Amino acid sequence: GAVVSQHPSRVICKSGTSVKIECRSLDFQATTMFWYRQFPKQSLMLMATSNEGSKATYEQGVEKDKFLINHASLTLSTLTVTSAHPEDSSFYICSALSGTSGRMVFGPGTRLTVL
Amino acid sequence: QQQVKQSPQSLIVQKGGISIINCAYENTAFDYFPWYQQFPGKGPALLIAIRPDVSEKKEGRFTISFNKSAKQFSLHIMDSQPGDSATYFCAASPRMFSGGYNKLIFGAGTRLAVHP
Repeated sequence: GAVVSQHPSRVICKSGTSVKIECRSLDFQATTMFWYRQFPKQSLMLMATSNEGSKATYEQGVEKDKFLINHASLTLSTLTVTSAHPEDSSFYICSALSGTSGRMVFGPGTRLTVL
Repeated sequence: QQQVKQSPQSLIVQKGGISIINCAYENTAFDYFPWYQQFPGKGPALLIAIRPDVSEKKEGRFTISFNKSAKQFSLHIMDSQPGDSATYFCAASPRMFSGGYNKLIFGAGTRLAVHP
């Protein structure tokens, strides 16, 4: 139990386009979801925290107009990278917090490559 | 500002040996300390976690040692196997459960290689 999926697993896009990444909690309701970015051989850096039905809280230095986060339901959060540039190429990972167990579960990640 | 310092950056251990990874923190409000294992191209997976009310927690070959006064905690992997080769992250959080849950702060990671 307690599985989080991400879609797509890999995406390649052209510079200037927008890309949407989905994060789903498959068998539990997630009161809070988190989005991380991980560059090669580096740690996970928290980008934002999203709560269902409310605006996301962004970490310092993360552009909220560039990284749009929507947490429309207790099982789905989306991250949209708008006007993507090559420097946005990274591994994006979401995590979901179960409201009942308090357990934090990470998704498998999405590899974004911007050409 | 790095709130959780992790060392070493990389570690090579022979099969059957003990792998030891150390972390230190500054924020005394942290009260949840998990360790995650990450394989290349995959998301991190929870290995083991500890709260500061205990000094040690063991699950199979994995043990966390916690020193509250020194604000340090470590992961010990006993009888290390080649399949343990991965990147390990320590993390810390002020609170574990929702309704006030705060973010996980990750260490820089340790790349472990277990040689046969």
